Amino acid sequence: EVQLVESGGGLVKPGWSLRLSCAVSGLTFDDAWMTWVRRAPGKGLEWVGRVKSKNSGGAIDYAVPVKGRFTISTDDSRNTVYLQMNDLKTEDTAVYFCITGFCIGNDCHWDDAFSIWGQGTMVTVSS
Amino acid sequence: QSALTQPASVSGSPGQSITISCIGTTSDIGTYNYVSWYQQHPGKAPKLVIFGVIHRPSGVSNRFSGSKSGNTASLTISGLQAEDEADYFCSSYTGKTNLVVFGEGTTLTVL
Repeated sequence: EVQLVESGGGLVKPGWSLRLSCAVSGLTFDDAWMTWVRRAPGKGLEWVGRVKSKNSGGAIDYAVPVKGRFTISTDDSRNTVYLQMNDLKTEDTAVYFCITGFCIGNDCHWDDAFSIWGQGTMVTVSS
Repeated sequence: QSALTQPASVSGSPGQSITISCIGTTSDIGTYNYVSWYQQHPGKAPKLVIFGVIHRPSGVSNRFSGSKSGNTASLTISGLQAEDEADYFCSSYTGKTNLVVFGEGTTLTVL
């Protein structure tokens, strides 16, 4: 069974940094593409960024609001994906989810349908 | 990238059917058959109920169905049950810098 467990959220001031972790069990980064999304209070979900699997080249893409401030990385030895968040802004306040898709045979849905979600970790940016 | 447009709330009585719309653009729903729907109960992580516009993941009730016409996708829940009361989000692949766009969410109330 695939499980994703996020950690690292907390209360920080604008301009500060925070690193979120997502411990992954039941799959490897050789095959799985990992995505971060967030949900701000009272708002809908927002895509944050994604890292492709090693077998797919490992490319990383970011949403425009976080590009240049957030960095996604993976650690094979810990089977963990990270979201390093720098220069945090009040509008980054949200619950952050680590998520991933799936394949049915050769039909894969890594970027469009997310069947596995972590429980989320809250990030509050406030002065 | 603007969010997809969903009604803020819908309601229905047990046994009835309801439909939630999700309006996008030619840059997302209108071009790609990669529309998904998620159900989220309070305090829980979202659960995928529809992918690829019309497909149900294993284990999801056949009371849930999806469709698309032009730039608008729809989720229909038939035979409403109390357990269906939740928030529902749509999403679409965009192929652009912001790869996935989500709807703002619709709160379903079962009367």
